[in-house]
Amino acid sequence: SQQGEEDPQALSIQEGENATMNCSYKTSINNLQWYRQNSGRGLVHLILIRSNEREKHSGRLRVTLDTSKKSSSLLITASRAADTASYFCAAILTGGGNKLTFGTGTQLKVEL
Amino acid sequence: DVKVTQSSRYLVKRTGEKVFLECVQDMDHENMFWYRQDPGLGLRLIYFSYDVKMKEKGDIPEGYSVSREKKERFSLILESASTNQTSMYLCASSYRAHFPSGANVLTFGAGSRLTVL
Repeated sequence: SQQGEEDPQALSIQEGENATMNCSYKTSINNLQWYRQNSGRGLVHLILIRSNEREKHSGRLRVTLDTSKKSSSLLITASRAADTASYFCAAILTGGGNKLTFGTGTQLKVEL
Repeated sequence: DVKVTQSSRYLVKRTGEKVFLECVQDMDHENMFWYRQDPGLGLRLIYFSYDVKMKEKGDIPEGYSVSREKKERFSLILESASTNQTSMYLCASSYRAHFPSGANVLTFGAGSRLTVL
């Protein structure tokens, strides 16, 4: 199966700093999403960016999408300790039907 | 307001036992999904369903089956549990989306952590 790859696998920053996570796929993608998962819990949808969009904002979140590079990035600005979680990208792959294919995730730790 | 409910948060079963994981959603979603999550491997799709009594294999269906007798309920069945099925199981649901302009935004349950001894 074609999984998304996320980079870095783990990230540790201080409160107030920005956190950037990247996601890439090997095949063409449509409609990429980002999800957040607190430890031991289910995932929560954060933001969706469509394949004809290049950038999208939601509060402290900024997502970019580069379909030519088959990649996306998630920027969390002015991070807080409560942002500590794992973050996953998920995309519909061309030829993959209407199923979301998830990345392997980035573990973010925001320290006080 | 819980919208996707998984029946058990933690289960411990023995090798060879039959295991049922239940998932119920109250959002009238057409689509329902079962994923398993393992460290370093992310989420992998086991089975999904686009309608009642309909099921399709995901990426790793071996060793699993599913049942969708009612729209709101999607059950994952391990006919004979094995130790390599120890994992976190996540159920999700979504409205039907029309490819390619639509997208499945998933609502997840809290997860069921299964340990097979």
